[in-house]
Amino acid sequence: KAGVTQTPRYLIKTRGQQVTLSCSPISGHRSVSWYQQTPGQGLQFLFEYFSETQRNKGNFPGRFSGRQFSNSRSEMNVSTLELGDSALYLCASSLGPVDSNQPQHFGDGTRLSIL
Amino acid sequence: AQSVTQLDSQVPVFEEAPVELRCNYSSSVSVYLFWYVQYPNQGLQLLLKYLSGSTLVKGINGFEAEFNKSQTSFHLRKPSVHISDTAEYFCAVTKVSGTYKYIFGTGTRLKVLA
Repeated sequence: KAGVTQTPRYLIKTRGQQVTLSCSPISGHRSVSWYQQTPGQGLQFLFEYFSETQRNKGNFPGRFSGRQFSNSRSEMNVSTLELGDSALYLCASSLGPVDSNQPQHFGDGTRLSIL
Repeated sequence: AQSVTQLDSQVPVFEEAPVELRCNYSSSVSVYLFWYVQYPNQGLQLLLKYLSGSTLVKGINGFEAEFNKSQTSFHLRKPSVHISDTAEYFCAVTKVSGTYKYIFGTGTRLKVLA
């Protein structure tokens, strides 16, 4: 069974640009969550999608947005990139919503570097 | 609101020695608890989880953790570590009901020495 796939693995952008990251969950999983991981802040929750609906959102500015498609694949978009957006962005999928106690399965992440 | 504290940012230990990675949580409601491991340049992998029932939980790779409600702890243990256990370990908590938020600790970097 294929795991969670995130593309691209690495990305370099400059300030002011925008970026779209993609996540394909494990087949059958309907919940997709996104996290930002940085050395200083650790793992911070961005948002969760379940059946194409955003269920919960973390404390990030509106420049961070996402969506989920009918096949459960999810995309995350960051506009007007800032240097502080440099991070490893992790996607996780689970069978049910996260509050259904289903464990999350993580992809290997997209490492975004802002120059 | 929930919170998770991993007191040790780094833990060096010799190969074949036992190890304990500490995790304390704070919550006014019932929680689910998880331990994840992250190897370099990879995502997180679930080691074990506590949902209910027996307070001693066994996971993959020989790890186990004990849920202690009175001390609000969920420490991770392994009786004998290997070089391959070198990684970063994250404790996480989420609420049993209501609006959830998966809260991760800041991580403990386990360094196994030969």
